[in-house]
Parts: sequence; C-alpha cells; structure tokens
Amino acid sequence: ETGVTQSPTHLIKTRGQQVTLRCSSQSGHNTVSWYQQALGQGPQFIFQYYREEENGRGNFPPRFSGLQFPNYSSELNVNALELDDSALYLCASSPRGNRAATNEKLFFGSGTQLSVL
Amino acid sequence: SQQGEEDPQALSIQEGENATMNCSYKTSINNLQWYRQNSGRGLVHLILIRSNEREKHSGRLRVTLDTSKKSSSLLITASRAADTASYFCATASSSGGSNYKLTFGKGTLLTVNP
Repeated sequence: ETGVTQSPTHLIKTRGQQVTLRCSSQSGHNTVSWYQQALGQGPQFIFQYYREEENGRGNFPPRFSGLQFPNYSSELNVNALELDDSALYLCASSPRGNRAATNEKLFFGSGTQLSVL
Repeated sequence: SQQGEEDPQALSIQEGENATMNCSYKTSINNLQWYRQNSGRGLVHLILIRSNEREKHSGRLRVTLDTSKKSSSLLITASRAADTASYFCATASSSGGSNYKLTFGKGTLLTVNP
C-alpha cells in the first residue's frame, strides 16, 4: 500500500462535460505523474509535474490539463469529455532529487475509474 | 504508444511452479521496471534494472536485461495463488533532462491455480 491517494474512486460523466480528478502524493514526494489506462491496455503517460511545473507530456490533446500545488498534490482536468476518455486514471508520485533524475520508481495510487456515457 | 510488449499475454500455472514473462522494447532506455496490478487497480513496483545491469534479484523475483536484443524477462519462482495478477514491464526514458516517463506494455495476466 502506497501513500498516494486519489479521489474520487469512481465517476460517471456524460460526453461534453468536464471532470477534475485529484491526487495526494506520498509524503516527501515532489513529483507527480498521471497515466491513463484503457481496459485491457497498459497505462499511457499523460504528463508529469515536478515542483509545480509541467515536466513532460505524452500524446494527449490540450483538453487534458493539470496542476500541482505547493503541497505537491495534483489535479488532472479533462474538458469536453469523449467516450474514449473512459478509462482508469492513475496518479503516481516519486521523490525526485533533481529535474533530470532518470532512475526512479513510481508509487501509484489506486486510480479513478472514469466512465463517459 | 506502447513500447514494451509482454509475452505471453496470459499464463496459467499451478502453485509451486515457476512463471516466466518476457518483454521486448524498441528504443534506448535508462532503465526497465516491472510492476504488478491486481484487479485493474493501482500498480505496485516490483523491481528496477538499470541499462548497465544484466540481472537482478529480489526475493522470489529474478529479472534479466539484454540491451543488445532489447528484451527483458521476469521470473517468479515457487509461485503462490497470491501472485495472481497482471504484470507489466515499463521502460524509462528521458529527453534533455526532462520528460522522464515510463512506457508500459500491455501486460501479462498470470493466474496461479491452487
């Protein structure tokens, strides 16, 4: 069990709506990454925040946006929801020593299951 | 896009047997990691092997890495019913000091029968 908590655990939205997912990182962790996992697939990288700044982004459209707060918690916002956005959204934190760290493991939360109808 | 591809997609064995899962990837990496996921919930980190390492052990887990073949294997010895889960390999890469990210494969579903 990691110290990463996500809320809510489940969410149902309709197409076109907006959604905000929240993540509290493990104590002492300054980096948060978000992943999308469709059914039967592996997680796909959405973006990462290091000390409140975006530090890399995957192949997701601009309607996927994020924030990291001074306490290193984070939000993922998705606008104009589409049916294909239905997935498990995973947040992961890590205790990065510097921006260029390249050998670290991630601590994942249990995820938010988003269903778009 | 998925970089790591696990093989097999599904594996069913009896308790006490060994389970071997393989992973292939396409581009250069900083490290390769294996994660476990129970019932579609959060992933749990199992082991990390750096690009300059060839083999690593952790308890009943043994991981090998062959960078010339761009492949890795995860061996779970003396499996238990509690090992039933999906196992993912993830390659770590970065560019220009940022964008450190993990690229996951589709996973291997391991079922250990009592």
